[in-house]
Amino acid sequence: AQKVTQAQTEISVVEKEDVTLDCVYETRDTTYYLFWYKQPPSGELVFLIRRNSFDEQNEISGRYSWNFQKSTSSFNFTITASQVVDSAVYFCALSVLNDYKLSFGAGTTVTVRA
Amino acid sequence: GAVVSQHPSWVICKSGTSVKIECRSLDFQATTMFWYRQFPKQSLMLMATSNEGSKATYEQGVEKDKFLINHASLTLSTLTVTSAHPEDSSFYICSASRDRGHGYTFGSGTRLTVV
Repeated sequence: AQKVTQAQTEISVVEKEDVTLDCVYETRDTTYYLFWYKQPPSGELVFLIRRNSFDEQNEISGRYSWNFQKSTSSFNFTITASQVVDSAVYFCALSVLNDYKLSFGAGTTVTVRA
Repeated sequence: GAVVSQHPSWVICKSGTSVKIECRSLDFQATTMFWYRQFPKQSLMLMATSNEGSKATYEQGVEKDKFLINHASLTLSTLTVTSAHPEDSSFYICSASRDRGHGYTFGSGTRLTVV
């Protein structure tokens, strides 16, 4: 069975601060996929990134960056110079090659104050 | 590309009535669609996996007779909440996948309120 843990329930920062969201996963499969999604107050899920287990390269996309560490089973997400529009719930998720289902973490609510 | 349309966005219904929610993949064919339920301030809980042309696979604890899923074509899956009760009020989200390489695309969700 797969498990995703997002230990941080809520994070509150002031605009322009950096914020890092932790994600730790558990799986026995060697081929798996990790995702991050953003859920703003409107409710829709916005895809941010997908990473497969064979690609440990870190990635940067604008103010977003991701740190994938297989040794610690972590896939952390950093927002640099946060903005009010970054306020949302962020979910980390995992699926494995032999099971189509997506397992979600509990989510981290990020509040960016002006 | 990879757009999923979910309809309606919100619905209010009376207790005892049934409600149908549609999930359409607009620009790709999805052999597999997923239905999730989300309570306020909680994560997404997978209810069932919908496979085109076959019966849906329900997660443990989800009543298949209450949450009817039909996936009659490669672009449409429907979730019908039968004999709805106030405790069925929730946010329902569908997702579809073209193939594993393209990940998952989510619909915009349906907020169901049963009064």
